[in-house]
Amino acid sequence: AQKITQTQPGMFVQEKEAVTLDCTYDTSDPSYGLFWYKQPSSGEMIFLIYQGSYDQQNATEGRYSLNFQKARKSANLVISASQLGDSAMYFCAMRGARNTDKLIFGTGTRLQVFP
Amino acid sequence: DSGVTQTPKHLITATGQRVTLRCSPRSGDLSVYWYQQSLDQGLQFLIQYYNGEERAKGNILERFSAQQFPDLHSELNLSSLELGDSALYFCASSVGASTYEQYFGPGTRLTVT
Repeated sequence: AQKITQTQPGMFVQEKEAVTLDCTYDTSDPSYGLFWYKQPSSGEMIFLIYQGSYDQQNATEGRYSLNFQKARKSANLVISASQLGDSAMYFCAMRGARNTDKLIFGTGTRLQVFP
Repeated sequence: DSGVTQTPKHLITATGQRVTLRCSPRSGDLSVYWYQQSLDQGLQFLIQYYNGEERAKGNILERFSAQQFPDLHSELNLSSLELGDSALYFCASSVGASTYEQYFGPGTRLTVT
């Protein structure tokens, strides 16, 4: 069965510093996708970044990058130059192959950015 | 703004009642997904529709049902509501049946009293 594990319930980072949010996954499918979503206190889910299992390079989107280590089954999110507006819950998710497009989510990490 | 709309934003109802949550996907998206976010279960996939047909089913209770209409909007029907159904219900959409990005709506917060 597919599973996403986020072991950090909460993280603190100072403004302008970089922070890494951990995500490990488990799947037997050779083809899968990994996602990160941000959920601010207002509740909406904001898509941040995607990494495909066959992608050769780590995904990047602005200040977000995904540190994809396939052999270790990890897909950590790196946020560079943190901003106060980055304070939110962050969810790692996986989409498996085999005719299922559902996303399986981790339990999330609450990031707090302080001045 | 993801382009996915959900109504209503908030819903308060009593146990035993029935409610309908509505979702309009992004323009051009054929797939609609429903997710439930609760404190004890986290974010869980409920059901997916693609171009009007049910494509995948998750941990959806028998008291819950959904459909996708010809104009591609979708409705999630929750009946015989229980206190434990209180949650944030998200709709997401994607272009195809197996497209990478799923864009989420703002959610409907359901409170069952």
